[in-house]
Amino acid sequence: QKEVEQDPGPLSVPEGAIVSLNCTYSNSAFQYFMWYRQYSRKGPELLMYTYSSGNKEDGRFTAQVDKSSKYISLFIRDSQPSDSATYLCAMSKAGSEKLVFGKGTKLTVNP
Amino acid sequence: GAGVSQSPSNKVTEKGKDVELRCDPISGHTALYWYRQSLGQGLEFLIYFQGNSAPDKSGLPSDRFSAERTGGSVSTLTIQRTQQEDSAVYLCASSPRVSSNEQFFGPGTRLTVL
Repeated sequence: QKEVEQDPGPLSVPEGAIVSLNCTYSNSAFQYFMWYRQYSRKGPELLMYTYSSGNKEDGRFTAQVDKSSKYISLFIRDSQPSDSATYLCAMSKAGSEKLVFGKGTKLTVNP
Repeated sequence: GAGVSQSPSNKVTEKGKDVELRCDPISGHTALYWYRQSLGQGLEFLIYFQGNSAPDKSGLPSDRFSAERTGGSVSTLTIQRTQQEDSAVYLCASSPRVSSNEQFFGPGTRLTVL
């Protein structure tokens, strides 16, 4: 079992939809949780960063971490065609510089 | 300001040749990371630098892979005797300090080994 599991999709939604992206993980030592957005042929761009459990909101994006279930989510409200990209979850342990990534979910938002 | 830059953007080489990939981090960032992104494998950590030293090289897949960083800035990832399975996108990231957990990625170098 990989440390971080993420459904690769693809996920296709109409413009304006609420998108839910998720990752599960197996190692309870993970303390820091991130979501990256990666456009085709570009490097990943940090979207959200959360420490431990809880919610964090930034504009149309909300990140949730449930450490008891080892489950993290990213919600995108009022999705736009410009949100079409691959979304990668990542996490790290306290004291470690190494990010462990999910394989990414490819999202397409159709106008 | 300028982001992380990497060169070349694309590299095609023949099996058995050596390649060097370069990363210029964001100015002032003390931590620098190398990752590899292969089709179907996602991003895999290779190595990170704190200043010019590499406290964690655990992700380097074999002794054909090495990296160095000079002047606390530019880093070079070298792959010797390239193999077809080395074909991937090699991504560099930098961070303002160790343990900030906010890593800023460059556009990557797409390596193809024929």
